[in-house]
Amino acid sequence: QKEVEQNSGPLSVPEGAIASLNCTYSDRGSQSFFWYRQYSGKSPELIMFIYSNGDKEDGRFTAQLNKASQYVSLLIRDSQPSDSATYLCAVSDPTNFGNEKLTFGTGTRLTIIP
Amino acid sequence: GAGVSQTPSNKVTEKGKYVELRCDPISGHTALYWYRQSLGQGPEFLIYFQGTGAADDSGLPNDRFFAVRPEGSVSTLKIQRTERGDSAVYLCASSLTPGDDTQYFGPGTRLTVL
Repeated sequence: QKEVEQNSGPLSVPEGAIASLNCTYSDRGSQSFFWYRQYSGKSPELIMFIYSNGDKEDGRFTAQLNKASQYVSLLIRDSQPSDSATYLCAVSDPTNFGNEKLTFGTGTRLTIIP
Repeated sequence: GAGVSQTPSNKVTEKGKYVELRCDPISGHTALYWYRQSLGQGPEFLIYFQGTGAADDSGLPNDRFFAVRPEGSVSTLKIQRTERGDSAVYLCASSLTPGDDTQYFGPGTRLTVL
């Protein structure tokens, strides 16, 4: 059973601080990792994907991947109230090339405090 | 351009009834996915279409669930003899090609089985 684990939160972070969201996955063969943001009552929206060990930066967002530890994280710098949402970690199926069906964690609810 | 659309946005039905949920993907997107999201959970994969064919239906919970995509565009998820446990938000996502990293999610259909 492939699993993706996240701390459900809620995680409260002061405005302007760094929010750190963490995720672990069970399938060592997983190759592609995704972070989605989901506002309450809305559908998931892709923020970032990462394939290689190390860091990947996009604006205020940095994704970090450590395949040896089976660990993915998302850092949000200069947190804004508009970042308040649930953040979903997702992993694609490594056994089916071209089929990017995703296994999601339960999500971490992030609240940015003004 | 238009994003993924889903109809209806809400569906209330009685236990034992049949329902159809529709997904209209982004024009030109060949890959289409159905997910189901229960309250407080991440989306759960149901079925993946490549073109007209169901390439992976391993996530369908039982034979009451069926999906079609006859012309390789619009897809319909069909649920027979609905049960209260089927209540959830049903999400559709599409991507340009198989293996494309970005899945664009529709707004979802909230199904409530009374």
